[in-house]
Amino acid sequence: QITLKESGPTLVKPTQTLTLTCTFSGFSLTTTGMGVGWIRQPPGKALEWLSLVFWDDDKRYNPSLNNRLTITTDTSKNQVVLTLTNMAPEDTATYFCAHRTSWLPGAFDVWGPGTMVTVSS
Amino acid sequence: QSALTQPPSVSGSPGQSVTISCTGTRSDVGTYERVSWYHQVPGTAPKLIIYEVTNRPSGVPDRFSGSKSGNTASLTISGLQAEDEADYYCSSYTSSITWVFGGGTRLTVL
Repeated sequence: QITLKESGPTLVKPTQTLTLTCTFSGFSLTTTGMGVGWIRQPPGKALEWLSLVFWDDDKRYNPSLNNRLTITTDTSKNQVVLTLTNMAPEDTATYFCAHRTSWLPGAFDVWGPGTMVTVSS
Repeated sequence: QSALTQPPSVSGSPGQSVTISCTGTRSDVGTYERVSWYHQVPGTAPKLIIYEVTNRPSGVPDRFSGSKSGNTASLTISGLQAEDEADYYCSSYTSSITWVFGGGTRLTVL
């Protein structure tokens, strides 16, 4: 059974860097075809794809975030870490991590429960 | 990248069918068969209900079906039930090896 769970601060100040961790189980990120993505959702608004790391360490980012994103992996701990620099109030959102497999191309089949992050001074 | 375009809301009575459209471009929906749909009850995580345009993961009722024509994908829910009331999002893989979501559609079961 695949599970994912996000963790990190619930409150950050403007201009600070946000670091979120996705801890997963039930699969290995070194297995061909696997991937972990990050998606966020501001309160009352739509989902926005942020980033994804593939099994071969290929990393993809939403070009709209102007190079503020970095995704890294710690395969020994089954964790994927997302950092978002220069946080602003509009970055207030629930941040989800999700599993991706080549068996279901293009889709995120299992999601974490999400973690709410508020940006405020 | 621009979000895919969905109608903000749709509604239907129990037992009826509704269709939600999702319009993209030749760089995403129009080229790739990697359109997926998600069902989300507010306050919870999205749940995958359609992948690769037409396929349902195990456990998803066959009342949910997907299709695509040109740059527009569609989700049809037949035999509406009260429990179908939720937000629905489409998503597509893109030519930049990124993903893009739609703006979401709120389904109201009357």
